[in-house]
Amino acid sequence: DAKTTQPPSMDCAEGRAANLPCNHSTISGNEYVYWYRQIHSQGPQYIIHGLKNNETNEMASLIITEDRKSSTLILPHATLRDTAVYYCIVRVAKTWSGNTGKLIFGQGTTLQVKP
Amino acid sequence: GAGVSQSPSNKVTEKGKDVELRCDPISGHTALYWYRQRLGQGLEFLIYFQGNSAPDKSGLPSDRFSAERTGESVSTLTIQRTQQEDSAVYLCASSLGGRNRGLSSPLHFGNGTRLTVT
Repeated sequence: DAKTTQPPSMDCAEGRAANLPCNHSTISGNEYVYWYRQIHSQGPQYIIHGLKNNETNEMASLIITEDRKSSTLILPHATLRDTAVYYCIVRVAKTWSGNTGKLIFGQGTTLQVKP
Repeated sequence: GAGVSQSPSNKVTEKGKDVELRCDPISGHTALYWYRQRLGQGLEFLIYFQGNSAPDKSGLPSDRFSAERTGESVSTLTIQRTQQEDSAVYLCASSLGGRNRGLSSPLHFGNGTRLTVT
């Protein structure tokens, strides 16, 4: 699986947009970009994922560059409850024998939303 | 609907004892994963089940660790002769995805079992 690079930490003012970057320069054409977050003492929470096109749901937007080597997760109006560790992960789009499509977690970005 | 359920939520055991952790996946989810997260660390993949296929055990750290799953339902992770370095949160996840199918279905995690070995 391709590896990702994220800044270790970021701050964001409450009510402002939080833009979390991720580099995945070795991503393959058949790999999705997934974003999860983990709030203290809880299991990781799925946020969003995409393959080539930008995606939006009720939680966030995902912007993937045309060359797919990087992406940005956008939380449009951050709240204090968005303080968490955010993980950017690449995952194969289809399995074959020997590949489970498991998620490989890095260290993520610790986002601190401040009042 | 109900999410992934794990029990117990906390477990304290003495070094050398065996422990069994349980995971109830979301109904209808064919894939099930176990992860371990040590304090202040990221998630480590342990094992993956998909239907009746042979599990992917590539992440199990030693032969003291084993897991079973009956069909597409409950899974148990067993740690024999626990050591202090086994102290961690053990997380279970399930998804609709499977072998030879598109993996656009995300994993959904439980809140884990916090294991403390004294």
